[in-house]
Amino acid sequence: DQQVKQNSPSLSVQEGRISILNCDYTNSMFDYFLWYKKYPAEGPTFLISISSIKDKNEDGRFTVFLNKSAKHLSLHIVPSQPGDSAVYFCAASDTGNQFYFGTGTSLTVIP
Amino acid sequence: DAGITQSPRHKVTETGTPVTLRCHQTENHRYMYWYRQDPGHGLRLIHYSYGVKDTDKGEVSDGYSVSRSKTEDFLLTLESATSSQTSVYFCAISRGQTYGYTFGSGTRLTVV
Repeated sequence: DQQVKQNSPSLSVQEGRISILNCDYTNSMFDYFLWYKKYPAEGPTFLISISSIKDKNEDGRFTVFLNKSAKHLSLHIVPSQPGDSAVYFCAASDTGNQFYFGTGTSLTVIP
Repeated sequence: DAGITQSPRHKVTETGTPVTLRCHQTENHRYMYWYRQDPGHGLRLIHYSYGVKDTDKGEVSDGYSVSRSKTEDFLLTLESATSSQTSVYFCAISRGQTYGYTFGSGTRLTVV
């Protein structure tokens, strides 16, 4: 059974607007959460992380929000740029050694 | 980037043949992983290693074996390839809780 879920396979956003990507998980023991970005024909690359002791982490245009009671995290990209068009994966772990990944959301930023 | 390379980058093989994919790291990380990526399934863990000769199964390990005889090399073997193993395979090393994994560039395997 999928422990990490990304229910939106795709998302389209106008350049300059906010992109919000969502992720839900089922295991209440998960304490570490990551977002990865993947371009075609490349490996996923680390984007931003958050641990359960925080509810928000920010890095430039990227902010991750964590709601532990709802078992939900989201990635906000503001402002969205065409170069942000990629597949985004969320991942979660209890120990930090083995991460479970969602199925990915394909983001298209329209110029 | 990160000193992790996968070989080959592309491979086409016939059903029933053995296939070995190689992952090589230059940074002496203890944990290494093999994932496969398939449409609609995201990234699924096949096997991982927590040290030389120390390996464990992931969620989709059937039909795969691994070996790690040196810290820097982690091999994934398909003993008898099947069409369901057509996929993109990624190797990864762990950078810990905050930075997660660094992935290789992937191996696209086609079983015909």
